[in-house]
Amino acid sequence: KQEVTQIPAALSVPEGENLVLNCSFTDSAIYNLQWFRQDPGKGLTSLLLIQSSQREQTSGRLNASLDKSSGRSTLYIAASQPGDSATYLCAVNFVVETSGSRLTFGEGTQLTVNP
Amino acid sequence: ETGVTQTPRHLVMGMTNKKSLKCEQHLGHNAMYWYKQSAKKPLELMFVYSLEERVENNSVPSRFSPECPNSSHLFLHLHTLQPEDSALYLCASSQELTQVFDYGYTFGSGTRLTVV
Repeated sequence: KQEVTQIPAALSVPEGENLVLNCSFTDSAIYNLQWFRQDPGKGLTSLLLIQSSQREQTSGRLNASLDKSSGRSTLYIAASQPGDSATYLCAVNFVVETSGSRLTFGEGTQLTVNP
Repeated sequence: ETGVTQTPRHLVMGMTNKKSLKCEQHLGHNAMYWYKQSAKKPLELMFVYSLEERVENNSVPSRFSPECPNSSHLFLHLHTLQPEDSALYLCASSQELTQVFDYGYTFGSGTRLTVV
């Protein structure tokens, strides 16, 4: 079964700290992996997309890595700010023979950055 | 705005009501999706449409009825819902169904549904 797990479920850090969010998945047959941000009661905002052939992607203070063979991805946030407080979701686009692909989400990491 | 617009943003409905959720995208995408997000649970895929044709129904009860009249619009018709159907319903689109050379998914802001 294709599953996605995120650790930790919740994280609270002081402002300015560098932090790492973890995502693991059970099947290495993937097209890509996408990190999203979700503010309370809102939709999803795409942060970074890593294709299966790539090792990492960077956008500003965010860096996402992908190790497909071990089924792991990390989201690194540098110099965290209170505005980074949100839930971060990892979504893996698995290869599926019947329908082509399936985007499967982890349960998310709820991040709180304290001023 | 993300390019995917959902209306209404909030909806409260009784168990005997009939209502519809609307999703619209003008990104030129060919695939559209409905997801359900319940409290403390991962997002669950409900339906997948590609070029206006339903290609996946992820064991969703018949009280949820999707409709895709064209590639830019997706509806979710609701009738005889249960309180446990209360959730955030998210619409998403992607350039194509098979994601090999793609830019990922774009999500709307969701409709917060409360069934009373």
